[in-house]
Parts: sequence; structure tokens; C-alpha cells
Amino acid sequence: GENVEQHPSTLSVQEGDSAVIKCTYSDSASNYFPWYKQELGKRPQLIIDIRSNVGEKKDQRIAVTLNKTAKHFSLHITETQPEDSAVYFCAASMYDYKLSFGAGTTVTVRA
Amino acid sequence: DAGVTQSPTHLIKTRGQQVTLRCSPKSGHDTVSWYQQALGQGPQFIFQYYEEEERQRGNFPDRFSGHQFPNYSSELNVNALLLGDSALYLCASSQREGPDTQYFGPGTRLTVL
Repeated sequence: GENVEQHPSTLSVQEGDSAVIKCTYSDSASNYFPWYKQELGKRPQLIIDIRSNVGEKKDQRIAVTLNKTAKHFSLHITETQPEDSAVYFCAASMYDYKLSFGAGTTVTVRA
Repeated sequence: DAGVTQSPTHLIKTRGQQVTLRCSPKSGHDTVSWYQQALGQGPQFIFQYYEEEERQRGNFPDRFSGHQFPNYSSELNVNALLLGDSALYLCASSQREGPDTQYFGPGTRLTVL
């Protein structure tokens, strides 16, 4: 089955700086890559996703890049704010609605 | 437009007992997937229901079973509870014939003593 690895496990950034989280996946058939943000005690919320026919996608301060050849994808958050502090999960699937998640990255934005 | 809902919010059980968790999908969604999230880990796929049938299953024992009703709501049943079953159980809904984006419910926190 699909194996998703996520790095780093924790990330501390100064407010206003950028944060980058990287994930690799094992199954070249995976073609859908969502990112979820989970605040303490809350549900995972989709923040951005990308499909395999696209190399990059941006939504305001958040962007995701995908390298199919290397089988890795990354989340970029620019101009970080305190409300960006949360656990971020990457995931991969093959259009079969079975999401394989990474272990998560705890992001702390220092004021 | 109601999002994904789950009940109960919290549940405490003892080893060997059985538990049933419930999920109502987002309006317009017909597919429900269940995930187990242990503390400090990413969600792990349990199984998925569409058209009232289990379509896919993750690496979970037969103690985990489910059901989907004609109104697309779903139940997750766990028999013979173990301490290791303590976790947050999340359901996610999606549209079969449409974008495969999954939306999560708030989860049920199960504690097994």
C-alpha cells in the first residue's frame, strides 16, 4: 500500500517568516494530494489540494508543489501568522477515496 | 448546509465491551470513510462505504465493522474493545461521482479503560 513520509515533525518559525513542509510518497499511481490543518481538539480541515496533472497550486499565503518524478510534494506557507499554529498533515490517494496520511508536522509561529 | 456530523463526542468503555459510533455525511455526499487517529499520529484508514456496501478496507481486524444506511449515514462498530483502540475516530464524506475531496467530521474520542 501507499506509504507517506512527512518532514519535519516539528517546525518553529518567527511570525512573518515562511514555513515549508515536505512529504514523499511511495506509490507512483497516487494522483491526489491534499493537505489538512488540525488544531488541537478539532477536525482536520482541508486547506489546499493538488492533482497529479498540476505542478503547483496557490491560494493566498498557501502553496503546494508536486514533483511526480521524485514522488514528493511540499506545502509552503508565507507570511506566517499566529493562527497558522497547528498540526499539518499531508496525504495521498489514487482517486479511490482512501487517504494515506503522513505523521504530521506541528507548526508553531512565534510572535 | 450541514457539514459532517458525528456522535457521540466522547465515549468511555471498558475492555471487552462493544461500541457503535455514528456519522452523518455532508449534504450531497454519498460516500463515507472511517479513520482512526491515535494520539500524536496521522489518521489511519479503516474502511469506506458506498451504496451501503464496504468498498475498501484498511489494515484493521474484523472486530471493526460498519454499516451504511439508505440516507448515506454510517455506523462504525468495534467489538471486544482493547486498550489500544483508544483513539479519535473520524469519519469523512465525499461525492462518488465528483471531486474526491473528503471532508471530516469532528470525531468521536473513544477511551478504553
